[in-house]
Amino acid sequence: DAKTTQPPSMDCAEGRAANLPCNHSTISGNEYVYWYRQIHSQGPQYIIHGLKNNETNEMASLIITEDRKSSTLILPHATLRDTAVYYCIVRVFYGGSQGNLIFGKGTKLSVKP
Amino acid sequence: IAGITQAPTSQILAAGRRMTLRCTQDMRHNAMYWYRQDLGLGLRLIHYSNTAGTTGKGEVPDGYSVSRANTDDFPLTLASAVPSQTSVYFCASSEPSRGAEQFFGPGTRLTVL
Repeated sequence: DAKTTQPPSMDCAEGRAANLPCNHSTISGNEYVYWYRQIHSQGPQYIIHGLKNNETNEMASLIITEDRKSSTLILPHATLRDTAVYYCIVRVFYGGSQGNLIFGKGTKLSVKP
Repeated sequence: IAGITQAPTSQILAAGRRMTLRCTQDMRHNAMYWYRQDLGLGLRLIHYSNTAGTTGKGEVPDGYSVSRANTDDFPLTLASAVPSQTSVYFCASSEPSRGAEQFFGPGTRLTVL
């Protein structure tokens, strides 16, 4: 079972910031928070990951609360092309023998003009 | 080639036929994975390979086999296809020492009649 809880859907106006929340109250000390997204009919795409510090890259920012029980993915200026299902995943940095990702149901983000 | 390629893009297959889905990566990643994605069930791991010459079973391995003769290729074979194997299949790769960032292929849509 996925160890995260996300809202099933969210809307965002084009050009505005999209803030996608994720709860991971049972996260372990050695587990990272990873975000992926899946645009319709495409393979999942890695966005960002973090352990406890806030992280930023060219795609997004990741804000992790001090207790690490929740996080927020921020798309600073959402475009129509950001419409996708966003998955929050917690796992150790190196996954051991399997190393697979466990995808939950994610949040379907709809960016509207 | 840049990243991961999968072939075919889509296929309609009669039940009982043998089918091999191809996956090739050019990133020299050690680990490769096969997932299937079904509506309402998310992505589930079928088989994985930590390095060339080794393979392992994932969550739903029955009816599928894999081989990893070299670093770049990771074919998935359905020995005798059944309708329940109708799905979208994604291949992925990662370099485990660099964390859980996985790179996904574009997917193969398989229909078994």
